Amino acid sequence: AQSVTQLDSHVSVSEGTPVLLRCNYSSSYSPSLFWYVQHPNKGLQLLLKYTSAATLVKGINGFEAEFKKSETSFHLTKPSAHMSDAAEYFCVVSDRGGGSQGNLIFGKGTKLSVKP
Amino acid sequence: EAGVTQFPSHSVIEKGQTVTLRCDPISGHDNLYWYRRVMGKEIKFLLHFVKESKQDESGMPNNRFLAERTGGTYSTLKVQPAELEDSGVYFCASSRRQGTEAFFGQGTRLTVV
Repeated sequence: AQSVTQLDSHVSVSEGTPVLLRCNYSSSYSPSLFWYVQHPNKGLQLLLKYTSAATLVKGINGFEAEFKKSETSFHLTKPSAHMSDAAEYFCVVSDRGGGSQGNLIFGKGTKLSVKP
Repeated sequence: EAGVTQFPSHSVIEKGQTVTLRCDPISGHDNLYWYRRVMGKEIKFLLHFVKESKQDESGMPNNRFLAERTGGTYSTLKVQPAELEDSGVYFCASSRRQGTEAFFGQGTRLTVV
């Protein structure tokens, strides 16, 4: 069965410093992995997805994530945090592989705070 | 192009009452999904429509929940009778084809008191 574990429920960084949001996955086959973001009073927005074409995936707003099979990790990073990055981030695995987005299995979410 | 729209944005009802949530998917999207986030828990899959047919309803918690998508356009999710543990945020998502990116609505926050 597929699952994801987000290792931190809350991360706080200062503006201009790097962001690291950690995610580990469990999958019985080649996984489809995603990161979603939810800003206050907004819907969930897709940041990026892993489709097995490249292990380093670039997303919107300067975020990227690296798929590491040996570590079963898919951590989300950004070199320099901006105040507008404050939101809740979800690591997600699909119930089907190959980059296809079937029914989604969500992590518990990580709330990112950005201090001025 | 309008995004996925959910109504109402908030609903507060008493235990035992009935509530109906509505989701209008993006026009032309055959696939429609319902998800729910109960307080402090993960967002969890409820069910998946392809046009008007239920493709997968394995996530529906019990028979107090009824989802419909008559005509393959908008969908409703009715909770009858509502219980305290039904409180949470209900998300709807739609996608053009199965396996392609799903776009989410803002969610409906349901509070049962």
